[in-house]
Amino acid sequence: EAGVAQSPRYKIIEKRQSVAFWCNPISGHATLYWYQQILGQGPKLLIQFQNNGVVDDSQLPKDRFSAERLKGVDSTLKIQPAKLEDSAVYLCASSSLGLVSYEQYFGPGTRLTVT
Amino acid sequence: DAKTTQPNSMESNEEEPVHLPCNHSTISGTDYIHWYRQLPSQGPEYVIHGLTSNVNNRMASLAIAEDRKSSTLILHRATLRDAAVYYCILRDVVRGAQKLVFGQGTRLTINP
Repeated sequence: EAGVAQSPRYKIIEKRQSVAFWCNPISGHATLYWYQQILGQGPKLLIQFQNNGVVDDSQLPKDRFSAERLKGVDSTLKIQPAKLEDSAVYLCASSSLGLVSYEQYFGPGTRLTVT
Repeated sequence: DAKTTQPNSMESNEEEPVHLPCNHSTISGTDYIHWYRQLPSQGPEYVIHGLTSNVNNRMASLAIAEDRKSSTLILHRATLRDAAVYYCILRDVVRGAQKLVFGQGTRLTINP
């Protein structure tokens, strides 16, 4: 079974520029998550989709961050404009509603550096 | 969100058992206890979960206190590959969907 794919793996941008991250979840997984992990901290949930509907986006800074999941499969997370404090690893995860454990499968992440 | 408390770091030796503690005194009756770990430069991975009874799987064992206010993740025979940050999480439900709230975790160092 292929895992969660993310691209790019690394990105360096200047502040006030825009950036987009892409995630392809495990096939058949209805739920998709985007997390932000700042160095030395645990991952923080930004947004959660179930199919192509948003379940929870309470921690997403909506003035600069946006996310979409068209057709309930792939997802993109965008930051516009970026700030220095957005430097972090952005993790995508997916899970299946059918799993008793509700286990989340994580991708390798995209490391963003804002200079 | 329910909270957990874990030591910031622990150290053990290769091939010895490791007991990672977690306190969750505000746990509610329906909260599941989940453990994830994060190896260097990777995303977190699921380790084990439980509700009331002790649980075993190929990776680890989970011992849950009778009052459910604490739990312990047990690695029976640590290897160098087990060096990681271990997160103890109470699984929450938001509008019918499962939600994990990660804390700081415990950084486990394994000495050869």
